[in-house]
Amino acid sequence: GDSVTQMEGPVTLSEEAFLTINCTYTATGYPSLFWYVQYPGEGLQLLLKATKADDKGSNKGFEATYRKETTSFHLEKGSVQVSDSAVYFCALSPFSGGYNKLIFGAGTRLAVHP
Amino acid sequence: SAVISQKPSRDICQRGTSLTIQCQVDSQVTMMFWYRQQPGQSLTLIATANQGSEATYESGFVIDKFPISRPNLTFSTLTVSNMSPEDSSIYLCTHEGNEQFFGPGTRLTVL
Repeated sequence: GDSVTQMEGPVTLSEEAFLTINCTYTATGYPSLFWYVQYPGEGLQLLLKATKADDKGSNKGFEATYRKETTSFHLEKGSVQVSDSAVYFCALSPFSGGYNKLIFGAGTRLAVHP
Repeated sequence: SAVISQKPSRDICQRGTSLTIQCQVDSQVTMMFWYRQQPGQSLTLIATANQGSEATYESGFVIDKFPISRPNLTFSTLTVSNMSPEDSSIYLCTHEGNEQFFGPGTRLTVL
């Protein structure tokens, strides 16, 4: 079945460091891909999305490119801040071009220190 | 996307009892989804609820444990039956098209 694999955390970085959180997926069709963020004590928020191959999603300095050839959707940010400390979830929706049920990765906790 | 309200926001229950969680959407939607987030874990889909038909359950979830109702296009309930401490989780509903925000859900603690 469809699945999402994320790099294990926690990831600990100093402020202004470069961030990469790896995400790979397995899907039978052409899924849509998402990154969600969960700040401490809060619900999930959509960070960015991509609905077809080679699309780049971006928001708040975060970027991820839908790579069909490597079945990946890695999250990157050039310079992290303490306020980026949160848990990041990669997810896919099995149906192309839109939103339906979501399959989540295990989540990666990011801690950014001053 | 439609605004979702869910209640209760939290509850503490005794083992062996049942709790019904309500999810209200402020516009008509076709599909509603129920997820569970166990402590420190990711979200897992429990079931998909379409109005007028029985819910479709994901592997590992059964109707006897998590009965779902979907009486109309704006409302759904999830019941957590015969609870045990392992059912302590956050339960969230969302709907088709609502990719933006899950909301805080219902935080359930089973003693």
